[in-house]
Amino acid sequence: QITLKESGPTVVKPTQTLTLTCTVSGFSLSTSGVGVGWIRQPPGKALEWLAITYWNDDNRYNPSLRYRLTITKDTSKNQVVLTMTDVDPADTATYYCAHRDKWLRPFDYWGQGTLVTVSS
Amino acid sequence: DIVMTQSPDSLAVSLGERATINCKSSQSLLYDSNNNNYLSWYQQKPGLPPKLLIYWASVRESGVPDRFSGSGSGTDFTLTISSLQAEDVAVYYCHQYYESPFSFGQGTNLEIK
Repeated sequence: QITLKESGPTVVKPTQTLTLTCTVSGFSLSTSGVGVGWIRQPPGKALEWLAITYWNDDNRYNPSLRYRLTITKDTSKNQVVLTMTDVDPADTATYYCAHRDKWLRPFDYWGQGTLVTVSS
Repeated sequence: DIVMTQSPDSLAVSLGERATINCKSSQSLLYDSNNNNYLSWYQQKPGLPPKLLIYWASVRESGVPDRFSGSGSGTDFTLTISSLQAEDVAVYYCHQYYESPFSFGQGTNLEIK
């Protein structure tokens, strides 16, 4: 049974760095084809893809946020970490992590999401 | 970057009637080497994460009722709910996974008339 769970701060001040952790179970981050991505959703708005890390250390980013994002994984801890620098109130959103199989399927299993508010 | 545009933004349909949502991509999502369209559909209810309904444009995810179907190829795609049920009230998103950066449509809010 594949599960993902996001964790991190609920409130962050502007200009600070946001660090979110996705803890996964039911699959290995080192299995061929496996990817874990981050997607966010501002309140009442659409989904926005942020970044993805694959089993082979291939990392991809949304160009609009590229210089603010870093995605890493720790296979031994079954965790994927997303770091976003210099946050702004416009970064207030629910942040989701999600699993995909690069060869077979899009994002198929999602975490419950974590709401992050950027406010002073 | 591939831009996904859905229509309409909002839709009200009577119970038991057909609901149709369209999605257009700014470039083809058909990968010639395997003849697959890298297009999926998600359903999102308030307070919940998106739920995968359809992938490869027309393959229904396991457990999804057969009243949901996907069609289309290249740049034009459609999600059809053949007989709307009360539990289908949600926002629906199309999503391209053809290439990075991945992208979603703006969403279609489906309500009961």
